Amino acid sequence: GAVVSQHPSRVICKSGTSVKIECRSLDFQATTMFWYRQFPKQSLMLMATSNEGSKATYEQGVEKDKFLINHASLTLSTLTVTSAHPEDSSFYICSASGSGYTQYFGPGTRLTVL
Amino acid sequence: TQLLEQSPQFLSIQEGENLTVYCNSSSVFSSLQWYRQEPGEGPVLLVTVVTGGEVKKLKRLTFQFGDARKDSSLHITAAQPGDTGLYLCAGAENFNKFYFGSGTKLNVKP
Repeated sequence: GAVVSQHPSRVICKSGTSVKIECRSLDFQATTMFWYRQFPKQSLMLMATSNEGSKATYEQGVEKDKFLINHASLTLSTLTVTSAHPEDSSFYICSASGSGYTQYFGPGTRLTVL
Repeated sequence: TQLLEQSPQFLSIQEGENLTVYCNSSSVFSSLQWYRQEPGEGPVLLVTVVTGGEVKKLKRLTFQFGDARKDSSLHITAAQPGDTGLYLCAGAENFNKFYFGSGTKLNVKP
């Protein structure tokens, strides 16, 4: 099956610093990648949708200057949390979709901002 | 605002019991997927349903997509402790934008 990786799996940073999370589709070309955020014991909330080579589309209430998304190739998308604060601490999950209906999820990145 | 509402939110049952989880929306979806998620991990796809009225079976799990493609159900027969997890439905708009349901946390006690 299709495999999606995320790096890092865990990151702890100081308040005010920026953190970059990578999402890679390892064995298929991802036309579209998605970024989600998940708080403890809650469901996934879609943050943005990115298509290779174009600007990401952000969901309502998600600050695009705060959460920078780059989808530079068909196998890589990055999410940069700029000037992170403790309220940005969360579980960030990416998914990738090829030509079909199915999206394949990465293992997630646990971000803790001190 | 959650496009997809799942019920129940929590379910704690004994091994061997049957259960049904519901996923409802006022929106029509091009496809609907069910996932199971373990703590600290990404969701794992269980099934994708596309056609209204479609029924799919995966061992002890039966998935149904409503005729109007607005709702779905997941039925587990003879639940086992290994079925414990967070079950999520996700509906797709235009085949490539997915919204997740509120989630159902299932605990199966031995």
